Amino acid sequence: ETGVTQTPRHLVMGMTNKKSLKCEQHLGHNAMYWYKQSAKKPLELMFVYSLEERVENNSVPSRFSPECPNSSHLFLHLHTLQPEDSALYLCAIPPGQGVSPLHFGNGTRLTVT
Amino acid sequence: GQQLNQSPQSMFIQEGEDVSMNCTSSSIFNTWLWYKQDPGEGPVLLIALYKAGELTSNGRLTAQFGITRKDSFLNISASIPSDVGIYFCAGPLIKAAGNKLTFGGGTRVLVKP
Repeated sequence: ETGVTQTPRHLVMGMTNKKSLKCEQHLGHNAMYWYKQSAKKPLELMFVYSLEERVENNSVPSRFSPECPNSSHLFLHLHTLQPEDSALYLCAIPPGQGVSPLHFGNGTRLTVT
Repeated sequence: GQQLNQSPQSMFIQEGEDVSMNCTSSSIFNTWLWYKQDPGEGPVLLIALYKAGELTSNGRLTAQFGITRKDSFLNISASIPSDVGIYFCAGPLIKAAGNKLTFGGGTRVLVKP
């Protein structure tokens, strides 16, 4: 148990749908990350939030829109996705200061049809 | 760049065998992390290495931080069926502050039929 909860665990959506992924942590950490894990590719960093402000956006298409309303919640809003966006989306937090290993949630398995 | 190359990409184990895998880069890393991912779950941290030459154990797992700081090794002794999964190495991006990790492509460990 890493203290990072992601919902839903599985999501199937059409290309015209709008949906949101949710990440929740109550460990008091100030940073939250979104990673994408596609088949046969290394984990890719998408967004970094620190103190509820976006500090990094790794050239992610605008059909992915993150939101961090407070230090406990992180959302990834999805709209007009493509089938190649099907992947496991992972939320992570750095539990320590400085360079500390990330702790991951169990992810949301997204399938775009 | 700061890519991490893992070898082998996949391997079969037989219960009781010792297993080895490695991670290399053309760049220097100051921290090496090893994660394991089971099906349907997020990566879980196994071992963190912070010093060149460091050898650290976690139960039947042993990892070493290469002296050149460009590689790391993970060994599993006396493997058991629950060792199957995907093992990832990771390290922090040098030019980035904080905990933005880059990941290797993973070594998939499977059970011999």
